Amino acid sequence: DTAVSQTPKYLVTQMGNDKSIKCEQNLGHDTMYWYKQDSKKFLKIMFSYNNKELIINETVPNRFSPKSPDKAHLNLHINSLELGDSAVYFCASSHRLAGAQIADTQYFGPGTRLTVL
Amino acid sequence: TQLLEQSPQFLSIQEGENLTVYCNSSSVFSSLQWYRQEPGEGPVLLVTVVTGGEVKKLKRLTFQFGDARKDSSLHITAAQPGDTGLYLCAGLVAYNFNKFYFGSGTKLNVKP
Repeated sequence: DTAVSQTPKYLVTQMGNDKSIKCEQNLGHDTMYWYKQDSKKFLKIMFSYNNKELIINETVPNRFSPKSPDKAHLNLHINSLELGDSAVYFCASSHRLAGAQIADTQYFGPGTRLTVL
Repeated sequence: TQLLEQSPQFLSIQEGENLTVYCNSSSVFSSLQWYRQEPGEGPVLLVTVVTGGEVKKLKRLTFQFGDARKDSSLHITAAQPGDTGLYLCAGLVAYNFNKFYFGSGTKLNVKP
């Protein structure tokens, strides 16, 4: 009964390959996020989806493509992997309050550690 | 350049000591959150502060939001080894689709 789950937990791959990370939440939330945490532990938002609609798209290379088949799932596909893509990728979910000034709780998955060789 | 700067970056103290972690920005946030992250896991929310000057207490942890809503602090009294972890502040920019900006993080180690 995990709230936010990600697969795989670890991903080791060669430069130039294409890979996907999957995320699922069973909290009934309508907003999901992808974050990247670098080696210095800095957590930066990449994308956010609300009701399957892309609402935040940070300055991320277009090799990264999120896909939300339904409200409970948000997958991340990465093409032509580069060494600099090595990081821990976190999925998160929350309720979204339109025009909200108060942040709702974000629930994070356990992370996917991606290593590009 | 990060929107939220945390200090110190690293803190190693003995059990029973007090400590304060700071989260500073030149930007105004509509609300601010503190998370704790343990190795191999995702961040977990500790608290959300909303009003300028607000103080919230969670057992031995005291959180304060600056009057101008640009900064925050986390004070831990009588730290315990179980407090060890990475502490992250996150600010919400209002009317920006729930876009959170995370701080640079403070890694706390409490030695028994």
